[in-house]
Amino acid sequence: GDSVTQMEGPVTLSEEAFLTINCTYTATGYPSLFWYVQYPGEGLQLLLKATKADDKGSNKGFEATYRKETTSFHLEKGSVQVSDSAVYFCALSGGSGGGADGLTFGKGTHLIIQP
Amino acid sequence: EPEVTQTPSHQVTQMGQEVILRCVPISNHLYFYWYRQILGQKVEFLVSFYNNEISEKSEIFDDQFSVERPDGSNFTLKIRSTKLEDSAMYFCASQQLGTQYFGPGTRLTVL
Repeated sequence: GDSVTQMEGPVTLSEEAFLTINCTYTATGYPSLFWYVQYPGEGLQLLLKATKADDKGSNKGFEATYRKETTSFHLEKGSVQVSDSAVYFCALSGGSGGGADGLTFGKGTHLIIQP
Repeated sequence: EPEVTQTPSHQVTQMGQEVILRCVPISNHLYFYWYRQILGQKVEFLVSFYNNEISEKSEIFDDQFSVERPDGSNFTLKIRSTKLEDSAMYFCASQQLGTQYFGPGTRLTVL
């Protein structure tokens, strides 16, 4: 079945540092890929997405590129802020193309940004 | 901006009791979902719903779970006889153009 693997946390960085959170996946077909963010005490918010190979999703300074050859969708940000502290989830929707596909999530990476 | 809402935000129940978790999806969305997140673990898919019937369900979604869209706006998850291991955060989501939008969740605590 489909699966998502992302780097274990917590990841602790200083403000203005460069961020990379690795995400790799296995899936049949042509999945869409997502990053969701969960701030403390809140629900899941869509951060960015990419629907086909070589697409780059971007939002709020975060970027991720859909790499089919390496089955990866790594999240990057050039300069993190304390307000970026949250749990980040990589996810995919099934490659079968069915509209009702549930998302498959990674375990989440807890990011801590220190001032 | 329209958003998915869920009630209650926190539900405490005794083991063996029935609970109903409620969600109001975004109004023009057609696909609806329930997920759960046990504390410290990843978010897990439970069920998807389209055109007034279940489209897909996971192994977790056994006979003690059911979903319903009783009217044009609400989407509910019922757990018939709660177990301790049902304690989790339950998220509702609705989908448009291939992207799922999540509600804030209901924290269910089973004692």
